[in-house]
Amino acid sequence: DIQMTQSPSSLSASVGDRVTITCRASQTITKYLNWYQQKPGRAPKLLIYSASSLQSGVPSRFSGSGSGTDFTLTISSLQPEDFADYYCQQSYNTPRTFGQGTKVEIK
Amino acid sequence: QVHLVQSGAEVKKPGASVKVSCTAFGYIFTNYGISWIRQAPGQGLEWMAWISAHNGGTNYAQSLQGRVTLTTDTSTNTAYMELRSLTSDDTAVYYCARDDYGGNSNWFEPWGQGTLVTVSS
Repeated sequence: DIQMTQSPSSLSASVGDRVTITCRASQTITKYLNWYQQKPGRAPKLLIYSASSLQSGVPSRFSGSGSGTDFTLTISSLQPEDFADYYCQQSYNTPRTFGQGTKVEIK
Repeated sequence: QVHLVQSGAEVKKPGASVKVSCTAFGYIFTNYGISWIRQAPGQGLEWMAWISAHNGGTNYAQSLQGRVTLTTDTSTNTAYMELRSLTSDDTAVYYCARDDYGGNSNWFEPWGQGTLVTVSS
């Protein structure tokens, strides 16, 4: 199975901050990497697919980059509604695997 | 709009089985697959299995092989996940998600609202 490792596991940030979350795969997954946001008590929501494609309706302050084994999710200016858990997920092969998650908290 | 609606919360005893439904709205059901993903309390996301709504083909996580069965009913645009021989470790929120695709890539969107399954004696 492909292991997905996110860092950091949690971070504290202020509104307006630039936030970066990284995701590393245990083997190459080319561009097959997706990012999700999950708020408490809610289902995850797709933010980015295929490493860098912004899902329709997602604010442009979210962006994704990377290929191979190393990927990044960036929030250019953190907004109050962005405080949530974030997960990366590989779709290179099955079983589909997720990172352990990154909790973005209010500083 | 495209959305998935899941059945309600369940409480089961150890050793029992549970069957969760997921009904699709707003798209051609047989053009996509459905994946099932679960989340234990306070934990991360675990992919369980996938089914093609087109031909019923399936792919199961090895850790659940033999205990989980996915089916679909194309007359009602509904997917089902049955999990057998439940233990307390199966207590989780179970999500269905449409397996969307583009080129050779896949992603989960949208997701159902989740179904809490509690296993307790």
